Amino acid sequence: GQQLNQSPQFMFIQEGEDVSMNCTSSSIFNTWLWYKQDPGEGPVLLIALYKAGELTSNGRLTAQFGITRKDSFLNISASIPSDVGIYFCAGQGGGSNYKLTFGKGTLLTVNP
Amino acid sequence: GAVVSQHPSRVICKSGTSVKIECRSLDFQATTMFWYRQFPKQSLMLMATSNEGSKATYEQGVEKDKFLINHASLTLSTLTVTSAHPEDSSFYICSAAGSQGITYEQYFGPGTRLTVT
Repeated sequence: GQQLNQSPQFMFIQEGEDVSMNCTSSSIFNTWLWYKQDPGEGPVLLIALYKAGELTSNGRLTAQFGITRKDSFLNISASIPSDVGIYFCAGQGGGSNYKLTFGKGTLLTVNP
Repeated sequence: GAVVSQHPSRVICKSGTSVKIECRSLDFQATTMFWYRQFPKQSLMLMATSNEGSKATYEQGVEKDKFLINHASLTLSTLTVTSAHPEDSSFYICSAAGSQGITYEQYFGPGTRLTVT
């Protein structure tokens, strides 16, 4: 089946630093999504990418959909303590195939 | 918008009993709902996909007779864990998707922590 490779698995940074994480896939996806999950909560959608090469920002977050449709990255600028959590990438096949395939997650820790 | 609720948020039950978890889309009509389970420090694993008014489609390895899914309306889906065992203890998360033009963005509920003793 489809698999997403998400890296890094863990990140420990100081408040104010920028963060970058990425996902790669052996398969093409029509849509890439980035979610954040806080402990004991469901994932919250951060950014959705629909077009190859698309670069989208949401506040301090920036994500890009790779030209090959097989990769995506998420950047967080000027990190703050509330950025702590697990970040998941997810690929969606598109059309009638709207299942999500999730990466294994990146656990981000921000030290004040 | 796009709020999904789950009830209960936590449930403890005895081995052998059944537990029902509700998933509701509060402000949109969800043509499709998904059920996931998540073990500690792991990613979400899709269990099944349900479309309103039709039978759920289960992922490989998920027992349909054990995890009963009912999607009776465009705003409500239920997951019933039958004859629960300790190994069924997990975090169960639903998501709801409705057509947003050409996309089906999934919005997740807050999850239900099931503990089977």
